[in-house]
Amino acid sequence: AQSVTQLDSQVPVFEEAPVELRCNYSSSVSVYLFWYVQYPNQGLQLLLKYLSGSTLVKGINGFEAEFNKSQTSFHLRKPSVHISDTAEYFCAVSDTGRRALTFGSGTRLQVQP
Amino acid sequence: DSGVTQTPKHLITATGQRVTLRCSPRSGDLSVYWYQQSLDQGLQFLIQYYNGEERAKGNILERFSAQQFPDLHSELNLSSLELGDSALYFCASSPNPGELFFGEGSRLTVL
Repeated sequence: AQSVTQLDSQVPVFEEAPVELRCNYSSSVSVYLFWYVQYPNQGLQLLLKYLSGSTLVKGINGFEAEFNKSQTSFHLRKPSVHISDTAEYFCAVSDTGRRALTFGSGTRLQVQP
Repeated sequence: DSGVTQTPKHLITATGQRVTLRCSPRSGDLSVYWYQQSLDQGLQFLIQYYNGEERAKGNILERFSAQQFPDLHSELNLSSLELGDSALYFCASSPNPGELFFGEGSRLTVL
C-alpha cells in the first residue's frame, strides 16, 4: 500500500513570491506521482504528473515538481505566485499496477497581495 | 469543465435514509472512480469500475454500494445514512493511469 504525507496544511505567501509545497510518499513498489488543485466549490484538476523519465515535471499554470526517489519526495514549486493560485493542493500516488490514487491531506495555499 | 457530470449537486436527507448519486464519465473513458471528501478524513478512495466490472475497492462501507452500467454511467448508493456520512462525493473518470478527471461533486448533508 502507498501513503502520502503533505507536511504543511497551510502555506501563506505574498503575491509574486516563490512557493514550494512539500510532499513525501511511502511505497514498496514503483509509483506514479501527481499533483491536483482544487479551487473553492470545484472538483480536482490535474496540475502535473510523473510517470517515468525526466524527474523534473512541468505542469499547467507555471507549476513544476521534482521527483526525488532517494528522498521519496515530489515537491511542487512555482517561481512567482498569483492571487488566482489560492486553492487547495493535493499530492497523490498510485502504484504502477493500479489506477486508483491515494491522496495526501492537502495544502491550502493562501496568496496575499 | 472536466466533462464528468455528477447529479445531484446538493442533497439533504435524514439519518437512516438511502440516496443514489449519479455520475456520467467523459466520453470514451471506461474507468470510473468514487471518492469521499470530508474535513476529518480528507479524500478517501471508495471504489473503481472499469467497463462495468469492479476493479478496485478502497475504504467503502458495507452500507455503500456502486455499479457501472453498460452505457458507462455509474451510481453510488448510500443506505442507512448516518451523520458521519455527510461529505462531498466525487466521481472521476480516467483515460490513462492516474490522470483522473473529476466532476464537481455531490454534497450530501445528513441531518
